[in-house]
Amino acid sequence: NAGVTQTPKFQVLKTGQSMTLQCAQDMNHNSMYWYRQDPGMGLRLIYYSASEGTTDKGEVPNGYNVSRLNKREFSLRLESAAPSQTSVYFCASRSRPGPNSYNEQFFGPGTRLTVL
Amino acid sequence: KQEVTQIPAALSVPEGENLVLNCSFTDSAIYNLQWFRQDPGKGLTSLLLIQSSQREQTSGRLNASLDKSSGRSTLYIAASQPGDSATYLCAATTGNQFYFGTGTSLTVIP
Repeated sequence: NAGVTQTPKFQVLKTGQSMTLQCAQDMNHNSMYWYRQDPGMGLRLIYYSASEGTTDKGEVPNGYNVSRLNKREFSLRLESAAPSQTSVYFCASRSRPGPNSYNEQFFGPGTRLTVL
Repeated sequence: KQEVTQIPAALSVPEGENLVLNCSFTDSAIYNLQWFRQDPGKGLTSLLLIQSSQREQTSGRLNASLDKSSGRSTLYIAASQPGDSATYLCAATTGNQFYFGTGTSLTVIP
């Protein structure tokens, strides 16, 4: 089991360029998440997908789009990158949300993105 | 909106000491609370998850407790080791979303 994988690991973009961050999980999880982590701000949720075919905005969705391609894959797209999007991006997954269920969230290794 | 706070932001202890990390949350209607460890430049590793109906969970030298009524969780680390040096984050889940604290950076001095 690879768990949650993310590509690329590092990326440098110029302002206005676009790119897609890829995420895949092999744990047959229903829910997948995209976060960004900035110093002093903690992790903030960008978008999530509670199940295949659905996506919802999180706390900081502006400037991003997502696609839940299938149950395994959840991609994050920056259409026109800005310096404010310089961050570390983490993808995560978990089996199914709900009270009293042992549904840990598992994280990928992250993508370090710099926008010049 | 759920607000999660972790105090202190940084903690330095000598090796062998027992320590407690604190996590507080504003909305007691959580599904569960999860503790993570993050090493510099790495992703998050799950340590413990406490379901809303539970009071505590244990794994090795780690013990996490949950008091929903007071909006608090603690992570107890026994007999700390230099390898425990990392940032520890807590996250409260309500429905589909997780809300993270900003973490406590722990340094264990040999």
